[in-house]
Amino acid sequence: DAMVIQNPRYQVTQFGKPVTLSCSQTLNHNVMYWYQQKSSQAPKLLFHYYDKDFNNEADTPDNFQSRRPNTSFCFLDIRSPGLGDAAMYLCATSRDQVGVNQPQHFGDGTRLSIL
Amino acid sequence: SQQGEEDPQALSIQEGENATMNCSYKTSINNLQWYRQNSGRGLVHLILIRSNEREKHSGRLRVTLDTSKKSSSLLITASRAADTASYFCATVSQGAQKLVFGQGTRLTINP
Repeated sequence: DAMVIQNPRYQVTQFGKPVTLSCSQTLNHNVMYWYQQKSSQAPKLLFHYYDKDFNNEADTPDNFQSRRPNTSFCFLDIRSPGLGDAAMYLCATSRDQVGVNQPQHFGDGTRLSIL
Repeated sequence: SQQGEEDPQALSIQEGENATMNCSYKTSINNLQWYRQNSGRGLVHLILIRSNEREKHSGRLRVTLDTSKKSSSLLITASRAADTASYFCATVSQGAQKLVFGQGTRLTINP
């Protein structure tokens, strides 16, 4: 089945130690998104790629970066994680931009804990 | 600022009853989408309703949209225990290319 896969499901890292979360998709969608979701809160968009074009949200901390080496893969890099970065990180895809009435397809997320 | 606000924040009903969740938003939209999230999982897309549509159905789900009141509702009929989840509305503002999610409604179906 075509899907969005996030690895790992659970990630533990130390305060200040760089960490990379990965996402892959078999849907061949043009757009890939990274969201941060804290407990009992709404998902918050960090950035998205439309093909190779990177779009950063204005309030995404500089500590967060992303790479999309090809259509199928997208990575979230947190350079120096702080305690406030503990959250669920969700990857999503859409065939085209949501402004042209496209739904998003989500992976099951990576829950990041900071020690 | 948060685009969508959902009401109620939590809802607990008996299996077989209908569940209604409401969403209000602030700006003109291209479309409004509803998603379900089971505990510890990703979001699952339920229904997308365009700004020129007033009602859509999918199985036991019915979504209405009132652009004059900037509000939407999600009705789940004949609820089942498996419907227990958080439900989020999300809007795409005109000219924007991103979804903005509401805080969600936590729905519990009691057997």
